Amino acid sequence: NAGVTQTPKFQVLKTGQSMTLQCAQDMNHEYMSWYRQDPGMGLRLIHYSVGAGITDQGEVPNGYNVSRSTTEDFPLRLLSAAPSQTSVYFCASSRQGGGSWEQYFGPGTRLTVT
Amino acid sequence: TQLLEQSPQFLSIQEGENLTVYCNSSSVFSSLQWYRQEPGEGPVLLVTVVTGGEVKKLKRLTFQFGDARKDSSLHITAAQPGDTGLYLCAAGNNAGNMLTFGGGTRLMVKP
Repeated sequence: NAGVTQTPKFQVLKTGQSMTLQCAQDMNHEYMSWYRQDPGMGLRLIHYSVGAGITDQGEVPNGYNVSRSTTEDFPLRLLSAAPSQTSVYFCASSRQGGGSWEQYFGPGTRLTVT
Repeated sequence: TQLLEQSPQFLSIQEGENLTVYCNSSSVFSSLQWYRQEPGEGPVLLVTVVTGGEVKKLKRLTFQFGDARKDSSLHITAAQPGDTGLYLCAAGNNAGNMLTFGGGTRLMVKP
């Protein structure tokens, strides 16, 4: 099993550009989520999905869109990149949401917006 | 939004020393998790604690969940350079659909 994979690993965007961060998992997990990690702030939840066709907002959803057409894939779209979105983005999956189930994280995408 | 406060934010110690890091909140949790993150990688789960007062051991790491289930601690005995990393606590919300992370404790163990 590959676990959780993310592409690209690094990305530089100009302000106003759009892009999609890809995330895929091969563990047949129902729950998937996107976090951003900024220095000193731990991880903050952007969006999550409890199953194919179902998505919901997390703590910091503004400027981001998600969709979940399959169990395996959960892409994150930046609509119009801003310097405040410079961060490291992590995708995670687990059997279920909440705090009892192990979250499996991808290796992250380091995004810089200039 | 549940707030998880971790202390200290940074800790630099010599190999062989003991240390304790803390995760505190004003909220009551049904469970709490500890993750370790190494540079350039995603967090990896160390332990989940679910019962107030519970103590779990993972080799030289001892995790404790507070009696009131509002706080937790991680104690490392005889720290080694391989323990270097960012330690994060996390707890789920009451609806069971979101996980909130603390700000983390960055540990450096010098040989």
